[in-house]
Amino acid sequence: NAGVTQTPKFQVLKTGQSMTLQCAQDMNHEYMSWYRQDPGMGLRLIHYSVGAGITDQGEVPNGYNVSRSTTEDFPLRLLSAAPSQTSVYFCASSLQGAYGYTFGSGTRLTVV
Amino acid sequence: AQSVTQLDSQVPVFEEAPVELRCNYSSSVSVYLFWYVQYPNQGLQLLLKYLSGSTLVKGINGFEAEFNKSQTSFHLRKPSVHISDTAEYFCAVSAGGSQGNLIFGKGTKLSVKP
Repeated sequence: NAGVTQTPKFQVLKTGQSMTLQCAQDMNHEYMSWYRQDPGMGLRLIHYSVGAGITDQGEVPNGYNVSRSTTEDFPLRLLSAAPSQTSVYFCASSLQGAYGYTFGSGTRLTVV
Repeated sequence: AQSVTQLDSQVPVFEEAPVELRCNYSSSVSVYLFWYVQYPNQGLQLLLKYLSGSTLVKGINGFEAEFNKSQTSFHLRKPSVHISDTAEYFCAVSAGGSQGNLIFGKGTKLSVKP
């Protein structure tokens, strides 16, 4: 049972480049979320999904896109990377919000 | 909308001393409350959660938290800390259901000194 798997673990992008952060879970969880973590800011919600085909924006969605074509996968796309998107990104999943979320190990992204 | 305030950004403490990490929340609906721990360069791990019932919740690694509805608080405590408890701790709230996203506080860095 792998839990929540995020790839890559580290990435350096140039300003303007695009990329996709991958997230997969094998627990058949309906709820999946993307957070970014910045020093002193805690974790802020970017986008979330309550099931395949259903996504919505969180607190800081600008510059990011998501889709949920399967229960297992929830990729996060950066369309045109900016230095302000330098952060650690966490994917999380849950059977229901009340059960708490299982987090991946994170992707550390640097935009230069 | 919900929000979470962690009152201390850093808490230094000596080994074997007790510790309390404070968390207050605001919400117009009933909420579920969580504490997560993040060790350096790792993801977040669930310490404990309050859903309903007894207001004293016990978690992993000897931690416990008490839900106080009148004071809208959910403080985390441990009677005797170890060096290995050095980490960042996050309090989070969820409204449950289709609004079940976690809203996090900004974190408290616990530093345990020998």
